[in-house]
Amino acid sequence: ETGVTQTPRHLVMGMTNKKSLKCEQHLGHNAMYWYKQSAKKPLELMFVYSLEERVENNSVPSRFSPECPNSSHLFLHLHTLQPEDSALYLCASSQDGLPNPPDTQYFGPGTRLTVL
Amino acid sequence: KQEVTQIPAALSVPEGENLVLNCSFTDSAIYNLQWFRQDPGKGLTSLLLIQSSQREQTSGRLNASLDKSSGRSTLYIAASQPGDSATYLCAVRPHNAGNMLTFGGGTRLMVKP
Repeated sequence: ETGVTQTPRHLVMGMTNKKSLKCEQHLGHNAMYWYKQSAKKPLELMFVYSLEERVENNSVPSRFSPECPNSSHLFLHLHTLQPEDSALYLCASSQDGLPNPPDTQYFGPGTRLTVL
Repeated sequence: KQEVTQIPAALSVPEGENLVLNCSFTDSAIYNLQWFRQDPGKGLTSLLLIQSSQREQTSGRLNASLDKSSGRSTLYIAASQPGDSATYLCAVRPHNAGNMLTFGGGTRLMVKP
């Protein structure tokens, strides 16, 4: 595997289910990101893990819970979601840290989530 | 709060035409600006990254310019091909905010054979 991989590629879940999205990067990067892409809305950053520090978008509901066990893996745990949470969830990674300029972000193919 | 706008939202052109996609941002205090390409149902691919101190970047038939003071960037595609059909997204990284990108809504491009 190369680059950034995401599993599953498609997920359908009910509002009472608990599921997890997985992301793995094979680029040796030290930062990973979760983005949400809804229809007709700009891509929205949800969470960042950079240099082992977590930064989050304060508008993300608590029913989304990220986990980053090491620099290569990132999870997004989902519970009691709403139909409006249906979207494409994208993971990305980059190599960050001073004094070098930040590298570009490399994106995975995404998980298409449908909440019934 | 930084806002990024892309115009037009959709564009359809015949093959071979040169075209320009526009991106504007409200806060000029940016670290860099990137242009991405997204094919349907897929992730993003970085096309060009322009640092705040640069005016333009070129890659093949693509040329991106940056006018930070006016909050504008353009992506120029020369001699368009059907394979260029995709959604093009621009994103800015603000100063002192980590690698946290703010994206525009994208321009959906269709190049007709």
